[in-house]
Amino acid sequence: DAEITQSPRHKITETGRQVTLACHQTWNHNNMFWYRQDLGHGLRLIHYSYGVQDTNKGEVSDGYSVSRSNTEDLPLTLESAASSQTSVYFCASSESLPLAGWGNEQFFGPGTRLTVL
Amino acid sequence: AQSVTQLDSHVSVSEGTPVLLRCNYSSSYSPSLFWYVQHPNKGLQLLLKYTSAATLVKGINGFEAEFKKSETSFHLTKPSAHMSDAAEYFCVVSGDTGNQFYFGTGTSLTVIP
Repeated sequence: DAEITQSPRHKITETGRQVTLACHQTWNHNNMFWYRQDLGHGLRLIHYSYGVQDTNKGEVSDGYSVSRSNTEDLPLTLESAASSQTSVYFCASSESLPLAGWGNEQFFGPGTRLTVL
Repeated sequence: AQSVTQLDSHVSVSEGTPVLLRCNYSSSYSPSLFWYVQHPNKGLQLLLKYTSAATLVKGINGFEAEFKKSETSFHLTKPSAHMSDAAEYFCVVSGDTGNQFYFGTGTSLTVIP
């Protein structure tokens, strides 16, 4: 069965370190997304990609970067981890749409809990 | 611009009684709307979605939602709550390209035995 996986599931790191969170999907979806989930905020979009070599900033992109070298993977990098980036991170993917306006279901990974000390 | 307001951050119901989780949206066009459920320490699972077909949408596990354009609402209901329904529920609206999602802040549902 197709799936979307994230690794690691839990990570503790120190302030100032570079951290990379992996996301891998076997749906063959063009669209991939990274969100962070914080109490009282729901899920907020960090970065997204609509295909290989395409990346875009979301609502809360400062301090994060992504790259898309193939269809299956969208790694999220924290350039210099800060305590404010302690959060649960979710990766998602969806089919791209031929026409604007109607949303397609996004499939979510299990999440990565990141703690920055 | 798109936005979603979930009117209750916490809802408690007794097992076997109806569930109502309220969601209002704002959009400059006719959007797609979704409800997702998140059980503790799990990812998000799609409950149901509205994409301009029937305004009453049926989802998994007995949940349904009604799209009311005049009220800009998309409330989630279930006739009889089960203990396994205890979770966080998110109302979501799609962006103008249809590819991006905008999440509400979530409603935590507690089911009392």
